[in-house]
Amino acid sequence: GESVGLHLPTLSVQEGDNSIINCAYSNSASDYFIWYKQESGKGPQFIIDIRSNMDKRQGQRVTVLLNKTVKHLSLQIAATQPGDSAVYFCAEFSQSGGSYIPTFGRGTSLIVHP
Amino acid sequence: GAVVSQHPSWVICKSGTSVKIECRSLDFQATTMFWYRQFPKQSLMLMATSNEGSKATYEQGVEKDKFLINHASLTLSTLTVTSAHPEDSSFYICSATTGLSNSPLHFGNGTRLTVT
Repeated sequence: GESVGLHLPTLSVQEGDNSIINCAYSNSASDYFIWYKQESGKGPQFIIDIRSNMDKRQGQRVTVLLNKTVKHLSLQIAATQPGDSAVYFCAEFSQSGGSYIPTFGRGTSLIVHP
Repeated sequence: GAVVSQHPSWVICKSGTSVKIECRSLDFQATTMFWYRQFPKQSLMLMATSNEGSKATYEQGVEKDKFLINHASLTLSTLTVTSAHPEDSSFYICSATTGLSNSPLHFGNGTRLTVT
């Protein structure tokens, strides 16, 4: 469940554009995935989840796509707004020693320009 | 929805003192809680995994005698930073889950620790 403290990549978009944030996960046995949004000075907030028996799930303005073949997860945000500016993390969940353990991606900093 | 409450949200302490941070699951039983540390503009760094009623499992490089974790009940875990030093200043975040398959992981709002 360890994630490495690396500086975050950044995605800059204009307000109203669609944003796509990508995440490559590592464990082919992971069967549950979550996207989180973290605003400055706050803890991560749950956005949307997807189980491994699905390849797409839609929420309000957000869509998560899962490609298990290449172990890739993406988050699409439609009509991006300044309030969407935050760091976005993906998490993969897998069984480990009887526990269900999350592993986090590096995170992507989304900057929305008005 | 499930809520995790973390307290305090901000604490300033003097070097050499100890600080306790609480993490509570408010409407579900958290079999497993995780403690993270986060530096500015960096991702979450897992410090330890805590299962209710048992000793925490620490990640490599994390001093268990310095970062004491207690998970005495299904709704409360505490992290105590002992003999704090300025380099311990950071943002500490807890998360909690029921531990069941496909169960979301919920986060507290973090604690900003400043050691002077």
